[in-house]
Amino acid sequence: QVQLQESGPGLVKPSQTLSLTCTVSGGSISSGSYYWSWIRQPAGKGLEWIGRLHTSGSTNCNPSLKSRVTISVDTSKNQFSLKLSSVTAADTAVYYCARGVGIYWGQGTLVTVSS
Amino acid sequence: QSVLTQPPSASGTPGQRVTISCSGSSSNIGSNTVNWYQQLPGTAPKLLIYSNSQRPSGVPDRFSGSKSGTSASLAISGLQSEDEADYYCAAWDDSLNGHWVFGGGTKLTVL
Repeated sequence: QVQLQESGPGLVKPSQTLSLTCTVSGGSISSGSYYWSWIRQPAGKGLEWIGRLHTSGSTNCNPSLKSRVTISVDTSKNQFSLKLSSVTAADTAVYYCARGVGIYWGQGTLVTVSS
Repeated sequence: QSVLTQPPSASGTPGQRVTISCSGSSSNIGSNTVNWYQQLPGTAPKLLIYSNSQRPSGVPDRFSGSKSGTSASLAISGLQSEDEADYYCAAWDDSLNGHWVFGGGTKLTVL
């Protein structure tokens, strides 16, 4: 059973970089042909796909966020990460990691952007 | 403004059948399959339907999905109180190097 767990600071200052890590358990992040994704949800609003990384190393990002997003992988730790630069209050949301956009999601972590 | 359009709310009484629509365009629903998710308050979304009409293991057959052209629908039959939740549709969009797009969500109330 694959499980994912997000971790990182719950509070980030405006203009700084938001950094989150997703730890995968129950399977190797580098085995198979899977996408590993980040999705976010502002309070009371809908879901927004941020981007994904394939086991091959290729990435896709939401065009609206592309210039600020970096998604990377650390296979030695079975983790993948999200960096979102130049954050504003509009980036305040619950951030989820997932395998693709399918069955396996993390529980989500709230990140607040505030000084 | 979400790329996929869903009604903000829907409602029904126990036992009733309810449908939720999802409208897109030729670059997303028109050329790719649709997923549906159920989100209970304070929890992560749960995949209900994938590939337009397929149910993951464990999802009751009361939930069904369909797609026609650039629109999709989620139907819930035999409505139960525990079905009260937010529902989202999603599809891959081929524009701008490709990206996933979601609907704005539909809040289902069981009266």
